[in-house]
Amino acid sequence: DAGVIQSPRHEVTEMGQEVTLRCKPISGHNSLFWYRQTMMRGLELLIYFNNNVPIDDSGMPEDRFSAKMPNASFSTLKIQPSEPRDSAVYFCASSNDRDHEETQYFGPGTRLLVL
Amino acid sequence: SQQGEEDPQALSIQEGENATMNCSYKTSINNLQWYRQNSGRGLVHLILIRSNEREKHSGRLRVTLDTSKKSSSLLITASRAADTASYFCATHTRKAAGNKLTFGGGTRVLVKP
Repeated sequence: DAGVIQSPRHEVTEMGQEVTLRCKPISGHNSLFWYRQTMMRGLELLIYFNNNVPIDDSGMPEDRFSAKMPNASFSTLKIQPSEPRDSAVYFCASSNDRDHEETQYFGPGTRLLVL
Repeated sequence: SQQGEEDPQALSIQEGENATMNCSYKTSINNLQWYRQNSGRGLVHLILIRSNEREKHSGRLRVTLDTSKKSSSLLITASRAADTASYFCATHTRKAAGNKLTFGGGTRVLVKP
């Protein structure tokens, strides 16, 4: 299995631009998580989906952030408009709760820099 | 505030020595997990201990859990330079839907050759 796939791996953009991050979870996993990691705030859960349905989006910073999961093999995290304080590493993770496996598998992350 | 808090925040040891780090949490848990993150990479799951377990081993890793004190420790024995990484504890609570985990701030471990 290829593991969790994220794209792009690096993104540099200017303030005000739209940014779209993509994630392909491990095949067969039914939960997907979006995290943000910074030195100041550590690892924060932004939103997670279970069976393609958003369960908890309380970590989404504000209306500029949105996430979708149109099917079991794809999710996007969009920031519009982007701001310099959004600069961080964004991780996607997936897990399978059907077999009572409770570990999460992380992708390599997307490093976002907003100038 | 975070569910899991690691202590110490940073640790520097010589190769061959043991490294111990601790995690405290606030609410009842279903299980507690430890993850490792190498610089510039995603987190990798190391070990899971359930609330009814007190100790678990995996290779050079030993994890303990004390639910009465709401704390856990991770011991890495005979450390190697390749163990240099950040280590995070994560708690899975009974209220969580799906497999939501709450991560602590991490312990940065430097193993000097």
